[in-house]
Amino acid sequence: SQQGEEDPQALSIQEGENATMNCSYKTSINNLQWYRQNSGRGLVHLILIRSNEREKHSGRLRVTLDTSKKSSSLLITASRAADTASYFCATARSGSRLTFGEGTQLTVNP
Amino acid sequence: DTEVTQTPKHLVMGMTNKKSLKCEQHMGHRAMYWYKQKAKKPPELMFVYSYEKLSINESVPSRFSPECPNSSLLNLHLHALQPEDSALYLCASSPLSGVNTEAFFGQGTRLTVV
Repeated sequence: SQQGEEDPQALSIQEGENATMNCSYKTSINNLQWYRQNSGRGLVHLILIRSNEREKHSGRLRVTLDTSKKSSSLLITASRAADTASYFCATARSGSRLTFGEGTQLTVNP
Repeated sequence: DTEVTQTPKHLVMGMTNKKSLKCEQHMGHRAMYWYKQKAKKPPELMFVYSYEKLSINESVPSRFSPECPNSSLLNLHLHALQPEDSALYLCASSPLSGVNTEAFFGQGTRLTVV
């Protein structure tokens, strides 16, 4: 069963705006990862945050992790049309045995 | 080479057919995975291979049979599938199981069972 839940399920914004997606999970984790998927094809890894980290940045991405609330957020700043995709959080209890959240479909309108 | 290559990209098979999905990586990764993804749903883990040995089977029906011939190749043999098995099948690899690493995914095989 999937332990991650994401909200919103769908998000539509204008180019240049920021997009925030949230993820909650139920069990203890080693790390939490975010992936992007375009048009139902392969997933691309975006960022990994370890359970002892609280915030991480990569380019226009900012991820936070609150293990006390079992939640994480992904912020994409200055969004572009090319950011249109599905975004999944995934938790790893051991190695890369990933359990994915339900995902957020992000649409960035030009 | 940081790619995971899956073949074929698309596959249509009848319920009595036997077919195989193939996955290949040359990154020296010692953990490989099969995931199944239905439309508008997240990927679900099916199998994990670690050092060419099956380490996790997530209660997958026996009509799906994985095989890891060597450290670079992963196959998924399909036999007597049902229409509800139609999905995107994703292969992934990672350097090691048991450490904090990302997974590298292939583009998937879109399977349709008729």
